[in-house]
Amino acid sequence: QKEVEQNSGPLSVPEGAIASLNCTYSDRGSQSFFWYRQYSGKSPELIMFIYSNGDKEDGRFTAQLNKASQYVSLLIRDSQPSDSATYLCAVNKHFGNEKLTFGTGTRLTIIP
Amino acid sequence: DGGITQSPKYLFRKEGQNVTLSCEQNLNHDAMYWYRQDPGQGLRLIYYSQIVNDFQKGDIAEGYSVSREKKESFPLTVTSAQKNPTAFYLCASSSILDRAIHEQYFGPGTRLTVT
Repeated sequence: QKEVEQNSGPLSVPEGAIASLNCTYSDRGSQSFFWYRQYSGKSPELIMFIYSNGDKEDGRFTAQLNKASQYVSLLIRDSQPSDSATYLCAVNKHFGNEKLTFGTGTRLTIIP
Repeated sequence: DGGITQSPKYLFRKEGQNVTLSCEQNLNHDAMYWYRQDPGQGLRLIYYSQIVNDFQKGDIAEGYSVSREKKESFPLTVTSAQKNPTAFYLCASSSILDRAIHEQYFGPGTRLTVT
């Protein structure tokens, strides 16, 4: 079992709809969770992080964390063609440890 | 402007040569990291450093070496011992003052091709 798993996609979503990206993790003690967006040929850029159960909203993005079920998701409302990218989920497994473990990413395509 | 710089953007080398990738940050971050990314794969940690003059191996350190002589700089050397060096190399940094959250910020990357 991979430590951080994501569906590789591609996930196709019509423009204006909600895109839902999911990530599961294996270490129940994981502390904090990060979503990065990576455009083709570019480096990852941080979208948001979450560390408490529940929802965290930032503009059109909402991160959702459910530690009991060991999953974290990212919702993108009012999807735009510029949201087309690969989305990487990353997990910080231990308090006080700076290492992140990354999933392989989900490729999202927004269809105009 | 605060940020992380990596140079060069593209690098071409012949097999058997060592090559050093540069990473500099002016964010006053304590921790710095090196990852490699291969097509269709996630990021794999090569080395990381939490403090000057100290660094730890990541998951795939074989064939690589690093130094951390200054807080701002964390160069990576890809040695001839690395069997598959062609990849996209990413440097990142983070502040570790808040021990709970360690968001990492990435430089633009160096694409290394070894033939």
